[in-house]
Amino acid sequence: GEDVEQSLFLSVREGDSSVINCTYTDSSSTYLYWYKQEPGAGLQLLTYIFSNMDMKQDQRLTVLLNKKDKHLSLRIADTQTGDSAIYFCAESTRDSNYQLIWGAGTKLIIKP
Amino acid sequence: DTEVTQTPKHLVMGMTNKKSLKCEQHMGHRAMYWYKQKAKKPPELMFVYSYEKLSINESVPSRFSPECPNSSLLNLHLHALQPEDSALYLCASSLRSYNEQFFGPGTRLTVL
Repeated sequence: GEDVEQSLFLSVREGDSSVINCTYTDSSSTYLYWYKQEPGAGLQLLTYIFSNMDMKQDQRLTVLLNKKDKHLSLRIADTQTGDSAIYFCAESTRDSNYQLIWGAGTKLIIKP
Repeated sequence: DTEVTQTPKHLVMGMTNKKSLKCEQHMGHRAMYWYKQKAKKPPELMFVYSYEKLSINESVPSRFSPECPNSSLLNLHLHALQPEDSALYLCASSLRSYNEQFFGPGTRLTVL
């Protein structure tokens, strides 16, 4: 079945780069998404990548997709205190009728 | 207008009450979703509407009743809820059911 995995926590120093990793199992993935959720808030779509792409960059965010290893990463350059949140990786696949399959979420902790 | 709005932000209800959650979008999206999210967990899909018709019901108890009166509006009617139904209820919309989803800020529901 489909499965998306993420580590639960990542701690980085303010100003450093953060790299949040995600692995998925379904090779029929169509899109892979990164959502950000701050405490008490809804989910904000940060970025997404189509499964035939390797990389996507948007300002401080860089998404890398390794289809062979089924590995997705989100790099946040120059991490700020406002980046403190839970980051969810999700995939949509033909098999799931394009409904989102979610990872458990990675809590990004910023150290001063 | 590029956002999904939800009302109320917070709701406290007893187990015998009837209440409704409301979600609205004016982005011309034809797919709308209800999710339930428990603390520190990913969202769980409840219902999907596509072109105002219910297309997915993820075996949700009948005490939750969705309604899609028009292409911009989605309601979730609540009746005889249990304390374990306390959660953040998120609405989302997408252009079509296979496109990226945009989430509202959620309604924090507490059932006493």
